[in-house]
Amino acid sequence: AAGVIQSPRHLIKEKRETATLKCYPIPRHDTVYWYQQGPGQDPQFLISFYEKMQSDKGSIPDRFSAQQFSDYHSELNMSSLELGDSALYFCASSLVIGDRGFGTGELFFGEGSRLTVL
Amino acid sequence: AQSVAQPEDQVNVAEGNPLTVKCTYSVSGNPYLFWYVQYPNRGLQFLLKYITGDNLVKGSYGFEAEFNKSQTSFHLKKPSALVSDSALYFCAVRDIRLGNKFYFGSGTKLNVKP
Repeated sequence: AAGVIQSPRHLIKEKRETATLKCYPIPRHDTVYWYQQGPGQDPQFLISFYEKMQSDKGSIPDRFSAQQFSDYHSELNMSSLELGDSALYFCASSLVIGDRGFGTGELFFGEGSRLTVL
Repeated sequence: AQSVAQPEDQVNVAEGNPLTVKCTYSVSGNPYLFWYVQYPNRGLQFLLKYITGDNLVKGSYGFEAEFNKSQTSFHLKKPSALVSDSALYFCAVRDIRLGNKFYFGSGTKLNVKP
């Protein structure tokens, strides 16, 4: 079965550079989530999209932006990188549940993109 | 406010013994509850969920969890631990009334010793 695909898997950048992470959700999933996980930390919610529109915003820095495209893939853009941005970035996809959808509830995660800022 | 609490940073258990990883939640209304496992440098893998129905839910790799509404708990259990179960376990709750937000607990590191 198709899973969530993230690229690149590893990325090394210098301070003040920019980086773009890509996420390809499971086909027909309508919701995408981005999480940041620092060393020894739990995943911190950054931002989510439902049907290509931003649906919720978490602790995403102003230096970061994200969007979901017409083919449902999503990109997380990070500018003016700082040492503290070094982390594992996860994308997850899902079908919305409740009145708007028929999802089964769980999020399906990609393997993550490891960003190292030097 | 929505929250998930995992009171133990670490759980140590001997192989073959039963294990329990604790999770409590505070959410208004009926919660959607989940357990995920994370191996080093890997993504989170779904283990099991409670949506509705029987309070005892069974999931992958022999894990199960019991939903207790009166205690607002959703503890993860396994009758006989394996060394390969050693990993980081996250409890999560989803609130469909608030834009499908998905909240994770702080994680519990499970160490199963031979």
